[in-house]
Amino acid sequence: AQSVTQPDIHITVSEGASLELRCNYSYGATPYLFWYVQSPGQGLQLLLKYFSGDTLVQGIKGFEAEFKRSQSSFNLRKPSVHWSDAAEYFCAAYGSSNTGKLIFGQGTTLQVKP
Amino acid sequence: DAGITQSPRHKVTETGTPVTLRCHQTENHRYMYWYRQDPGHGLRLIHYSYGVKDTDKGEVSDGYSVSRSKTEDFLLTLESATSSQTSVYFCAISESGGPSYEQYFGPGTRLTVT
Repeated sequence: AQSVTQPDIHITVSEGASLELRCNYSYGATPYLFWYVQSPGQGLQLLLKYFSGDTLVQGIKGFEAEFKRSQSSFNLRKPSVHWSDAAEYFCAAYGSSNTGKLIFGQGTTLQVKP
Repeated sequence: DAGITQSPRHKVTETGTPVTLRCHQTENHRYMYWYRQDPGHGLRLIHYSYGVKDTDKGEVSDGYSVSRSKTEDFLLTLESATSSQTSVYFCAISESGGPSYEQYFGPGTRLTVT
């Protein structure tokens, strides 16, 4: 069965430091992959998505992600974290049928130290 | 922001009582989804709808039913609430079911079953 795994439940970084959030997927064919962000008490907002083509995708708020088929990974990165980036981040993969079903990872909570 | 509202935003209910959560959209999107969010599980799909009166199950549909009599409203019903259904429930909408159609999320409903 298709699955998405985020190995890190909680990450703390200092403001201004670089960030990398890990995501691994299991899926036979080329997956459609997404990163969402959830600020406290809010719904989810799409940061970026990968469908095909260039394996490095740019998103909103200065985030980027790299698709690596050999590692079954789609890690999210940001070169310099801001205090406002503190949130929960979810990696997701599109299901195999054309129903819009998304399969989410467990989420990673990012804390930013001043 | 996509026009999605959820009501109520918070609810406390007792075990065994029926509960209905409402999702209302003003975007005229065809697809609507109900997810639940639990620590360590990310978001999991409960039910979704691909049109008026057209619904299907997600991965955690047991104990839940849905109805969609109008394009703009998607109701989630817990016929007899249990403590395991304590969760945060999110509604999402998308224009269609393909992966290129972004899902927009509502603000969530926090349900506590005592």
